[in-house]
Amino acid sequence: ELKVEQNPLFLSMQEGKNYTIYCNYSTTSDRLYWYRQDPGKSLESLFVLLSNGAVKQEGRLMASLDTKARLSTLHITAAVHDLSATYFCAVERNQAGTALIFGKGTTLSVSS
Amino acid sequence: NAGVMQNPRHLVRRRGQEARLRCSPMKGHSHVYWYRQLPEEGLKFMVYLQKENIIDESGMPKERFSAEFPKEGPSILRIQQVVRGDSAAYFCASSPGGQYYGYTFGSGTRLTVV
Repeated sequence: ELKVEQNPLFLSMQEGKNYTIYCNYSTTSDRLYWYRQDPGKSLESLFVLLSNGAVKQEGRLMASLDTKARLSTLHITAAVHDLSATYFCAVERNQAGTALIFGKGTTLSVSS
Repeated sequence: NAGVMQNPRHLVRRRGQEARLRCSPMKGHSHVYWYRQLPEEGLKFMVYLQKENIIDESGMPKERFSAEFPKEGPSILRIQQVVRGDSAAYFCASSPGGQYYGYTFGSGTRLTVV
């Protein structure tokens, strides 16, 4: 059974500093997704990582994937208040009934 | 392109009533997924459907929950005889399937059982 673990679950960040969120998964998978969720809102797609060594960047966020280690990281550069939200990684199952298996999410809070 | 449409946005039901949640996928998407999110938790996969077919319902509770995606009309997630523990946000996602990737999520239905 595919399991996805994120850590930390909560992260209190200071503006201007750098942080990393980790996402480990238990079995091989072709695709890994990162989503952002603001309170009471739906999920906003941030990144889709398709292959080993994939790196994608958007603004202050950079995601990478190491399929051999079954690990993805989401790196935050120079945190700003607008990044306060909950971030989920999700891994696509490799089977006929494809679906996303989510981690529990990391709630980020940025303070000045 | 209207995206994934879910309704209602909020639904209040008394214990023992039925809840019906609707999801219209994005235009061109034939794969629909339902997820449940309990407070302070991640999304849990419930069921994966294509038109007129349930592909994977491994995440559905064995009783009271059912889902369909008819040839015409939206996908429906139906919860019979709701209990307080069913209170959650229910999200629908759609994808084009096949060699295409990417899932688009709807805004969710927040079910409250009183």
